[in-house]
Amino acid sequence: SQQGEEDPQALSIQEGENATMNCSYKTSINNLQWYRQNSGRGLVHLILIRSNEREKHSGRLRVTLDTSKKSSSLLITASRAADTASYFCATDARRDDKIIFGKGTRLHILP
Amino acid sequence: DTEVTQTPKHLVMGMTNKKSLKCEQHMGHRAMYWYKQKAKKPPELMFVYSYEKLSINESVPSRFSPECPNSSLLNLHLHALQPEDSALYLCASSQKLAELYNEQFFGPGTRLTVL
Repeated sequence: SQQGEEDPQALSIQEGENATMNCSYKTSINNLQWYRQNSGRGLVHLILIRSNEREKHSGRLRVTLDTSKKSSSLLITASRAADTASYFCATDARRDDKIIFGKGTRLHILP
Repeated sequence: DTEVTQTPKHLVMGMTNKKSLKCEQHMGHRAMYWYKQKAKKPPELMFVYSYEKLSINESVPSRFSPECPNSSLLNLHLHALQPEDSALYLCASSQKLAELYNEQFFGPGTRLTVL
């Protein structure tokens, strides 16, 4: 299975702290994406990193990609209550057209 | 318009009912997707349409029947569902299939309960 595996499965931190989530996958990819999902709602695309990129920033988000280790990390700096959500990595294998989501990390920001 | 809309938001149906879920986008996207998501699980791909043609069917039971009447609309017809089919059904679209930078735009989902 190509499915990504995020860790931790759940993370609780104080508001203002940084949150780091990791994703590992199994096969070669074209790119890796991170999505956020608020409880029971649709997913929102956060950031896409190409297989030839190592790091990417978007606002308070920083994503790294290590293709040799088949892993990625998502860092959210200066967390806010509104960041409380589930975060999924999604990968697309070079051999087919599907995007496969990892199991997700449930992030809870404590006031 | 950068929105994917889904109707209805909630649906309760019996195992003998026939119902349909609808999805619409006006971003000119030519790839559209149906996902099923159970609580605390990731979305699972069900179907992919590319240029209004079914491109991927992830071995979904025939009680789920997708339809893409035009480039903006995607339906999922439901018949004789089972209680275990209760889930959040998400529709998504992207510019094209197999693009290198294939960001997907998701609708808010339909919460389906099968009694």
